[in-house]
Amino acid sequence: DIQMTQSPSSLSASVGDRVTITCRASQGISNSLAWFQQKPGKAPKSLIYAASTLQSGVPSKFSGSGSGTDFTLTISSLQPEDFATYYCQQYNSYPYTFGQGTKLEIK
Amino acid sequence: VQLVESGGGLVQPGGSLRLSCAASGFTFSTSWMDWVRQAPGKGLVWVSRINSDGSSTNYADSVKGRFTISRDNAKNTLYLQMSSLRAEDTAFYYCTRGYAIASWGQGTLVTVSS
Repeated sequence: DIQMTQSPSSLSASVGDRVTITCRASQGISNSLAWFQQKPGKAPKSLIYAASTLQSGVPSKFSGSGSGTDFTLTISSLQPEDFATYYCQQYNSYPYTFGQGTKLEIK
Repeated sequence: VQLVESGGGLVQPGGSLRLSCAASGFTFSTSWMDWVRQAPGKGLVWVSRINSDGSSTNYADSVKGRFTISRDNAKNTLYLQMSSLRAEDTAFYYCTRGYAIASWGQGTLVTVSS
């Protein structure tokens, strides 16, 4: 199975900051990487697929990059509604696997 | 796009349950569909995938042989038949749409306990 490792596991930031979350795959997955946002008590929301393509309706403050084994999610100009847990997922080979999550908290 | 899960509840270990996901607002018959679960307070875990016409399915090792994913394209409905349930299957179960997941349902809670 492909292991997905996110770093950091938690992150404190202030409104207006720019933050970057990293996701590393244990083997190459081309660009078959998605990012999701989840707020407490809610279903996840899809943000990015194919490593860098925004889902419809997702604001351009979110951006993704990477290919192979190393990927990043960057969120610019943090707003209160952006504080949530973020997950990456590889869908290159079965079984599909998620990272452990990165909790983004307000400083 | 709307995905509405149902069928969750309390079941004893060893029991069975069938989850349903009613889909609307998109062309269900051409969409790949997944089930993803999340134990309370834990991370997301991929469970199963079915292709658009139901001819191909895949499962996580932890559920293989116990869970069966299926779909009825005439009814725009996705299913997950779960049997030999264990305490560790306790989780919210989400129905998702897309080869790369684009949409999520609100989830249904399955609790396996005596």
